[in-house]
Amino acid sequence: SQQGEEDPQALSIQEGENATMNCSYKTSINNLQWYRQNSGRGLVHLILIRSNEREKHSGRLRVTLDTSKKSSSLLITASRAADTASYFCATLRQTGANNLFFGTGTRLTVIP
Amino acid sequence: NAGVTQTPKFQVLKTGQSMTLQCAQDMNHNSMYWYRQDPGMGLRLIYYSASEGTTDKGEVPNGYNVSRLNKREFSLRLESAAPSQTSVYFCASSEGGEDNEKLFFGSGTQLSVL
Repeated sequence: SQQGEEDPQALSIQEGENATMNCSYKTSINNLQWYRQNSGRGLVHLILIRSNEREKHSGRLRVTLDTSKKSSSLLITASRAADTASYFCATLRQTGANNLFFGTGTRLTVIP
Repeated sequence: NAGVTQTPKFQVLKTGQSMTLQCAQDMNHNSMYWYRQDPGMGLRLIYYSASEGTTDKGEVPNGYNVSRLNKREFSLRLESAAPSQTSVYFCASSEGGEDNEKLFFGSGTQLSVL
């Protein structure tokens, strides 16, 4: 079963607007990561937030983590057409195999 | 610095045929992974290798075998391909360790089994 699920499945916004994507997960985690995938390409790591952190920034990206609600959000500010891609959250569980479990992704379209 | 290189990029097989997907990384990473990506399912881990000489099953290992040939290379073999194995396959690598750091992905192999 999937560890993480993103919401919404698809999001369409105008260039310059902010985009917010959410991720929910089921078990306790060590860290949560966000990845981006352009059409027909591999995934690219964006940002990692550890279980003892609540917020992290990287450029136009802001990630929050609420371990009590088992949820995270990714905010992209001042979006650009080049941000059009699918975004995935991935969680590293505290127990079991040392690997990441990916959600089903949010497809973001930024309209110029 | 090529990162993670996968070959081939595209492949069409008939049911029952076998093939090997190749993956190599030049970042001196300890851990390597094989994922498959299906529409609506996200990425699912097939096999991984935490370090050279070790391999372990992931979520969906049935129908696959892997070989960690050396620190750089990690191959995925389909012994008898089935239509259910039609998917996009991604190899990834990471430095590894207790608190797994970010993954670096290859560009993928699109496999169709007829």
